[in-house]
Amino acid sequence: AQSVTQLGSHVSVSEGALVLLRCNYSSSVPPYLFWYVQYPNQGLQLLLKYTSAATLVKGINGFEAEFKKSETSFHLTKPSAHMSDAAEYFCAVTSKTSYDKVIFGPGTSLSVIP
Amino acid sequence: DVKVTQSSRYLVKRTGEKVFLECVQDMDHENMFWYRQDPGLGLRLIYFSYDVKMKEKGDIPEGYSVSREKKERFSLILESASTNQTSMYLCASSLRARGRGHQLNQPQHFGDGTRLSIL
Repeated sequence: AQSVTQLGSHVSVSEGALVLLRCNYSSSVPPYLFWYVQYPNQGLQLLLKYTSAATLVKGINGFEAEFKKSETSFHLTKPSAHMSDAAEYFCAVTSKTSYDKVIFGPGTSLSVIP
Repeated sequence: DVKVTQSSRYLVKRTGEKVFLECVQDMDHENMFWYRQDPGLGLRLIYFSYDVKMKEKGDIPEGYSVSREKKERFSLILESASTNQTSMYLCASSLRARGRGHQLNQPQHFGDGTRLSIL
């Protein structure tokens, strides 16, 4: 079965520092990958998705993610953290049995320290 | 913009009650989903519907049922609520994945969630 792991349930960074949130997937077929963000008391919003057109994917709010097939990774980065980036981040991969369904990782809570 | 609306943000019910959670989307999406979200467990799929009156069990369907009588509306039903069903419930919708390449990874659009407490 497909699975997604996110290293670090909580990550803290200083304002202005690099943000790196890790995501690894297990997949025996080419995956379709997503990053979602959840702000407090809200649902999930799409940050970016991997379309196989390019290994480096740019998303909203200055985030980007790089697909590395050899490492089965899709880590999310942002060069400079902003206070408004504090949220829960979820990596997701399409299900092996259906492209309509996705498997979510457990999430990483990002704190930004002023 | 796609809008997915969940009928309640907060709900408190008692054990044994029958509970209805409603979700409406306005973008003519074929797919609709119900998830529950618990700390440390991420999102777990309860039920998935790919068309009117069509449904498929997700990973944790026990104790739940769903109804999709109209394309825009997807209801989650707790037949007899129990305390272990206290959770955040999220509804989502998406276009059907069809074609090839990037057309296969259609993102899901989420409502703001219903925080359900069963006492």
